[in-house]
Amino acid sequence: DAGVTQSPTHLIKTRGQHVTLRCSPISGHKSVSWYQQVLGQGPQFIFQYYEKEERGRGNFPDRFSARQFPNYSSELNVNALLLGDSALYLCASSSKSDEQYFGPGTRLTVT
Amino acid sequence: GQQLNQSPQSMFIQEGEDVSMNCTSSSIFNTWLWYKQDPGEGPVLLIALYKAGELTSNGRLTAQFGITRKDSFLNISASIPSDVGIYFCAGQRTSGSRLTFGEGTQLTVNP
Repeated sequence: DAGVTQSPTHLIKTRGQHVTLRCSPISGHKSVSWYQQVLGQGPQFIFQYYEKEERGRGNFPDRFSARQFPNYSSELNVNALLLGDSALYLCASSSKSDEQYFGPGTRLTVT
Repeated sequence: GQQLNQSPQSMFIQEGEDVSMNCTSSSIFNTWLWYKQDPGEGPVLLIALYKAGELTSNGRLTAQFGITRKDSFLNISASIPSDVGIYFCAGQRTSGSRLTFGEGTQLTVNP
């Protein structure tokens, strides 16, 4: 079975631009979570969606938004990019259990 | 954002040695998970723990859920070069909720 997939793999943007990152969960998983991982740190929770509804939001500004589609795939949007938004963005999917499985991530560089 | 206290930050060991790392929190978690992350990739789930006092093994890896629910431990026996990577602990307060990560333990294994 395919694992969690994310696109694109890498992305370079300029300050002030916006970006959309995409995630497809493991087949049968209805929950998707997004995490931001800055170099040298552990992942930080951004959003969680279950059955297309937001179930949790981390301590991130309103420039960050997300949604989940009927097929359970998800998008993370970031507006007005700042240099500090440069990070690895990770998507994780889970079924009814507590185990979250991560995708390979999208490396975002803001210049 | 809040993170768990994970130690040690880094370890340099010889192939064949055993490794121990731990994670502590000031608050209770109902689930503990351990992940391994290789450079440029997403975290891979190693072990999940669901009950206080639980001891779970996965090959050469053994993890324990602390009795107080505020800590967890990971042991790797007879280390091999492919054990190199960053190990993260993660806690989950309620079923299916967000993960809170430690800062990671960088493991280097010398052949």
